[in-house]
Amino acid sequence: DSGVTQTPKHLITATGQRVTLRCSPRSGDLSVYWYQQSLDQGLQFLIQYYNGEERAKGNILERFSAQQFPDLHSELNLSSLELGDSALYFCASVQGPWDNEQFFGPGTRLTVL
Amino acid sequence: GDSVTQMEGPVTLSEEAFLTINCTYTATGYPSLFWYVQYPGEGLQLLLKATKADDKGSNKGFEATYRKETTSFHLEKGSVQVSDSAVYFCALSAPGAGSYQLTFGKGTKLSVIP
Repeated sequence: DSGVTQTPKHLITATGQRVTLRCSPRSGDLSVYWYQQSLDQGLQFLIQYYNGEERAKGNILERFSAQQFPDLHSELNLSSLELGDSALYFCASVQGPWDNEQFFGPGTRLTVL
Repeated sequence: GDSVTQMEGPVTLSEEAFLTINCTYTATGYPSLFWYVQYPGEGLQLLLKATKADDKGSNKGFEATYRKETTSFHLEKGSVQVSDSAVYFCALSAPGAGSYQLTFGKGTKLSVIP
């Protein structure tokens, strides 16, 4: 158990809908990374937050957004969903901005029908 | 940009066989290198890491050496077990703009048969 929690574990929804994925980092960790794992693209970095502020952006679509709250949990919002958004979404946490050992949550499997 | 290339799977080995999974990388600067493992239905777990040239990471019988001259970080294990069956990902992080996001290879699925 990495200490990182993600909810829900599974999510099934329809095209055009909007969903929110939640991540709680390990106790004491200030930074959260989001990754997408799909059959086509493999594992891709989406976005990073550190202590409530966006720190880096990767291959994140404009339809996707994220935020980190004062209690340090993070949410990834996916809107206008398409079939191709079906994937596993992972978050990972680290203590500080310069730590490079990331601890991954179990992931949320999103299925868009 | 940064990239990681690892051997495509799947790889099927008999128990106690020797394992090598090749990984090469392209990065600017001096990246840190990682191997992550993903067991069925689970998230990624860090298996080992190396942060500078000639460092050897090791864990649970797995080893990998950071070779700057060949830009490689091959994963090896002398004697695999059925419990090692999983998907293995090579990854790098090269700090840019203050972030250590990971760049992953496509993963290699290993199946070990008794």
